[in-house]
Amino acid sequence: DAGVIQSPRHEVTEMGQEVTLRCKPISGHNSLFWYRQTMMRGLELLIYFNNNVPIDDSGMPEDRFSAKMPNASFSTLKIQPSEPRDSAVYFCASSPRQNNQPQHFGDGTRLSIL
Amino acid sequence: ILNVEQSPQSLHVQEGDSTNFTCSFPSSNFYALHWYRWETAKSPEALFVMTLNGDEKKKGRISATLNTKEGYSYLYIKGSQPEDSATYLCASPGSNYKLTFGKGTLLTVNP
Repeated sequence: DAGVIQSPRHEVTEMGQEVTLRCKPISGHNSLFWYRQTMMRGLELLIYFNNNVPIDDSGMPEDRFSAKMPNASFSTLKIQPSEPRDSAVYFCASSPRQNNQPQHFGDGTRLSIL
Repeated sequence: ILNVEQSPQSLHVQEGDSTNFTCSFPSSNFYALHWYRWETAKSPEALFVMTLNGDEKKKGRISATLNTKEGYSYLYIKGSQPEDSATYLCASPGSNYKLTFGKGTLLTVNP
């Protein structure tokens, strides 16, 4: 089991650029979650998918953020245009669609917007 | 929106000490209680998922209990070691499988 795979591990880019974060969930998991970790807010849920369908995107900060899950093995989180306040660690997690199963987190993408 | 609270916010103990901290959650419409261990610069790692009132789970020196009627869970660490230093998060899902996390307890074990 390879675990949840995120790429890139680190991204440094200039303000205004488009940023795309990628996630491959654990095979067989049908729920996928995108989180953001900041000093101020801790771990906050941005959006989650069940069976590739977005269920709750109420945590997405604004229209500059978008997420897709074109198939069961791949999801992207896109920021366009990026701003310095978007700098954070972004985690992807997956789980079976059951409350008694834990979420498995990827190693995260550390994003710095200059 | 669930209200999941953890206390204390941070804790410093000496190596060898046993310690515990608390997670409180709404007792109505309860589905499960998750505990995660989150080391600095790493990702959260699942410790336990508990669903039944009176559940007690153990993993090495770490154990957890669950009281769904009064809405709390305790995490215990016996004989703390420096490598136990981490943030311990609890979380509870709603009917939509979305986890609401507490803000965590930051444990520092001094050698």
